[in-house]
Formats: sequence, structure tokens, C-alpha cells
Amino acid sequence: AQTVTQSQPEMSVQEAETVTLSCTYDTSESNYYLFWYKQPPSRQMILVIRQEAYKQQNATENRFSVNFQKAAKSFSLKISDSQLGDTAMYFCAFMKLFQGGSEKLVFGKGTKLTVNP
Amino acid sequence: ETGVTQTPRHLVMGMTNKKSLKCEQHLGHNAMYWYKQSAKKPLELMFVYNFKEQTENNSVPSRFSPECPNSSHLFLHLHTLQPEDSALYLCASSRLGLATQETQYFGPGTRLLVL
Repeated sequence: AQTVTQSQPEMSVQEAETVTLSCTYDTSESNYYLFWYKQPPSRQMILVIRQEAYKQQNATENRFSVNFQKAAKSFSLKISDSQLGDTAMYFCAFMKLFQGGSEKLVFGKGTKLTVNP
Repeated sequence: ETGVTQTPRHLVMGMTNKKSLKCEQHLGHNAMYWYKQSAKKPLELMFVYNFKEQTENNSVPSRFSPECPNSSHLFLHLHTLQPEDSALYLCASSRLGLATQETQYFGPGTRLLVL
């Protein structure tokens, strides 16, 4: 079974600075997807960024980028130029890739990020 | 309405009540999901529907009963719940294709309190 571990329950960063959130996962699969979702106080789960395991290039989305280390099974999220609106719970998630079946997202426990003014 | 919507946003019910949660997706997706989010626990997948057919029941108690009348609507019928069922219930949808997996998009959730 796949597991996702987020070792930092809480983090804080000053506005405009950079912060990195850690995520490791355990799987025997070779094809899969990894995601970072953000859940602000409004509770809406919002997709931040997605990485396909077969792609060597790290995904980026504006101020958000990942450091995907497949051999180490590590998938960290870097937030540059942090903004107050980035304050949220951040969840790392794993999805196995297979044909025609149901999709199972396995989530970590989350990291609570606070951006301070 | 765009994206994934859920109603009601908040629900308080007694243990003998019967209520239903509704989810609607406006994204043209063909798979829908129910997740439960409890305090200090990872999100738990409850049910999966692919093309209106239930393909996953993640050992969920029978007091939770899902219904998917079409690919755009998903319900979660609740009856004789327990206080430990109090949680945020999230609906998600995605587009399935052969040998592909698509991103799941989430609704805002229903905050359920069972008294």
C-alpha cells in the first residue's frame, strides 16, 4: 500500500520569503502522479501543482515549484515570495496510474503553513 | 455555477435523523468521489463512482449510503449517524480516460456535526 508522509505538522514564514514543505512517499509503482493541494481556512481544497512521475523536469506553477526526487521518493514544495494568502494547510497526495480503474488519492496528514506579515 | 458545488455547507443533525449531502460537478467529468476529513487524520476516501457505477467502497459503514444518478450528481445519504461521524465531507470529480489519470477537483465541503 502507498503511504505519504509529511514530517512538518506546522511551519511559518515571513511574507516575501521562501519556504519549502517536505513530502516523502512509499510505493513500489513506477508510474504515478503526485500532487500538492492547499486548503485555506475556507476549507476549499485547491490544487496547487501536479507532477507526473515519468517526467524528469520539475513542475512549476508561478511562485510554486517542486523538487521531485524519484529515487529518493521525495516530493517537496517550494513557495517563493510568500504571500499572506498562502496561509493554509498543504497536503501532499499520491495517485497510482493504471488503466480504466478507479483513482485513489492517498493523502499525507498535512502541513499547516502560516505566512506572517 | 462552475467547478464542484456541495450543499448544504453546514449541517447539524441528531443521531436519529436522516439527511442527504449533495454534490454537483460542472466540469464534464465522469468520475466522482466522497472523502471524509476528520480532525488530525488524513483525508479518507469513502466512495468512488466511475461512469455512474460504484467501483470503490472503502469499508464505509452502512449508515452512509451513496447515490450517483448521473455523472454530474452525487449524493451521500445519512441515517442513524454517530457523533464520531462529525467531520468535513468533501466531494471531488475527475475525468477518466484509458491509461490516464486526471486531477481531482474538490468541492467546498459540508461541515457535519452529529449531536
